[in-house]
This record gives sequence, structure tokens and C-alpha cells, in this order.
Amino acid sequence: GAGVSQSPSNKVTEKGKDVELRCDPISGHTALYWYRQRLGQGLEFLIYFQGNSAPDKSGLPSDRFSAERTGESVSTLTIQRTQQEDSAVYLCASSLGGQNTGELFFGEGSRLTVL
Amino acid sequence: GQSLEQPSEVTAVEGAIVQINCTYQTSGFYGLSWYQQHDGGAPTFLSYNALDGLEETGRFSSFLSRSDSYGYLLLQELQMKDSASYFCALQGGTGGFKTIFGAGTRLFVKA
Repeated sequence: GAGVSQSPSNKVTEKGKDVELRCDPISGHTALYWYRQRLGQGLEFLIYFQGNSAPDKSGLPSDRFSAERTGESVSTLTIQRTQQEDSAVYLCASSLGGQNTGELFFGEGSRLTVL
Repeated sequence: GQSLEQPSEVTAVEGAIVQINCTYQTSGFYGLSWYQQHDGGAPTFLSYNALDGLEETGRFSSFLSRSDSYGYLLLQELQMKDSASYFCALQGGTGGFKTIFGAGTRLFVKA
């Protein structure tokens, strides 16, 4: 596709359920990033991938959060046993991955609401 | 670790010039970027400074001083549509391309 695509755009779930959020980056972009943005707040770094490897997972809030990337393409962010504090917009971004312009291309985000 | 600080809010008048400052702490980085985000929208890239100095892109300019751990975004000829949140971001450091964002500056443009 032309841009970064995320699904679902909206997800409402009950506390304790697991959720999966998907990101399709721009074709050819080797770097992929996940951020969390609570209402009115900044972008909280979660994890980034270079190819299929995640050199830095330091932002994952707890062991309930995990992410994977396959085929240097699609990535899935999984949140297990969701809590109300997980409610936020989860943003995915991709980039060429080199030391270039620094430009990250963002998807429209997945808005997660935990009841 | 890495951290960035920006003012939480700035208000300016349509047609004026506004500067949004960003100070940072890091042991190393490739560059400083700026992003704009309108309410309910995705962040969009504005500018990137890999080297010290000023980068100009239309009405927007960005500046970096590595020796002062400081940068700013300058918006000229402000328009109402410039009302949005602006984020500075550090790219890279310690061998990777991790990008960390500041908390954002909310810009209100008044008529």
C-alpha cells in the first residue's frame, strides 16, 4: 500500500482479554516502530524492529506486552490480560531504517479501549 | 537514557512567528526531528537536523546546536491550521535507530 496501515482502527475489549494489533508498513521500509499515546499525552516508545529483529524492547511496559515482525513486513503487537490502563492509541511507524532524513511514516493508529 | 523537554503550550497570533524550543539529554544520536500532530490525526514529519545549524522548509525552519543540547522549530506566517501539537524527537544513539519523542507542545493560533 501507499502508506502505513493499522488494524483494527478501534477495539473495545473487556479487562482481562487479549488483543492483537496489526501494522503493515510501507513496502521496503526496514525499520518499524510501535508507540503508545494516551489522550493528550506524548508518544511513548514501546519497541522497534530492524528487519525482523527487535534491537530495543526497553519500552514494553510489562511482560503482558509482546511484538513480532515477520518477512520484514507485517508486525503484530499483542497485549495479554488487558488492563484499563492499557487504554490508548497505539501508533505504528515505519522508515527506511538508515541514517537518512530521520522521517518516520505513521499509521492512523489503533484506538484501544479496555472496559 | 535519552530524554527531551519542550514547553507544554504556546499561544501566538495569526501571521506572527513562533519558536518552539526543545532541550535534550542523550549520550549520542544521529539527528533531531520535528513532527506535527492535529487532534485525532497521525504525526507527520516536518523537519530533520543531522548537523548543527538551520534547516528551512517553506514556512517551517528547524535549528540544532549539539554543543548546547538544544533545538527549536520556527513557524513563520502562522495560520489557523497550524494549531496542533508539535513534537521533537531524537533519532538513534548506541548503534540503533530508536526514535524517542518529547511530550509535545500544544500550539494555539488565535485570530
